[in-house]
Amino acid sequence: QQQVKQSPQSLIVQKGGIPIINCAYENTAFDYFPWYQQFPGKGPALLIAIRPDVSEKKEGRFTISFNKSAKQFSLHIMDSQPGDSATYFCAASKGIGKLIFGTGTRLQVFP
Amino acid sequence: DTAVSQTPKYLVTQMGNDKSIKCEQNLGHDTMYWYKQDSKKFLKIMFSYNNKELIINETVPNRFSPKSPDKAHLNLHINSLELGDSAVYFCASSPWVQQNEQFFGPGTRLTVL
Repeated sequence: QQQVKQSPQSLIVQKGGIPIINCAYENTAFDYFPWYQQFPGKGPALLIAIRPDVSEKKEGRFTISFNKSAKQFSLHIMDSQPGDSATYFCAASKGIGKLIFGTGTRLQVFP
Repeated sequence: DTAVSQTPKYLVTQMGNDKSIKCEQNLGHDTMYWYKQDSKKFLKIMFSYNNKELIINETVPNRFSPKSPDKAHLNLHINSLELGDSAVYFCASSPWVQQNEQFFGPGTRLTVL
């Protein structure tokens, strides 16, 4: 049972565009929602995370928008660059650190 | 460098063999994890240890046995390897069990022939 649904599966944008990746969750007990970035051959790296008491969080060019009532959260990448080309994973957890991952979005940013 | 490290990076072996993957973190974290990433890149938690104590044990075949000799090390031993075990295995750590910021190692690509 997929508890965190992620879309789209892949995304292609031009440099400078604003790709948006969406995730939806089912378990209202989740209280931590991170986004991870993974380059080929590397481990996932924590990009940004949010807790449900805020609706938005920005770190540099990365923004998480969180809608608690809709049980959805999304990642926006401002002024995207070719170096942002990677696979992005959303995740959710409650309590003891067991991260439930989405299925990943492969982002390609063309010059 | 402060990091989570894994050895080996690549592991190619025959069906039926037994193999181990080692993980070490020098971040001073209390909690460590093993994740499996399949061919479709889906990441799923397998185990978690907090200060050498097993706290998460997902529905994993008992051919997989984690061992934590101390809180900086978490090894994964796999008996009687099967074709379906082929995947990338990631170790991760977090500062303590309820602090969910997890840092991942570079992964070990296991190929079972």
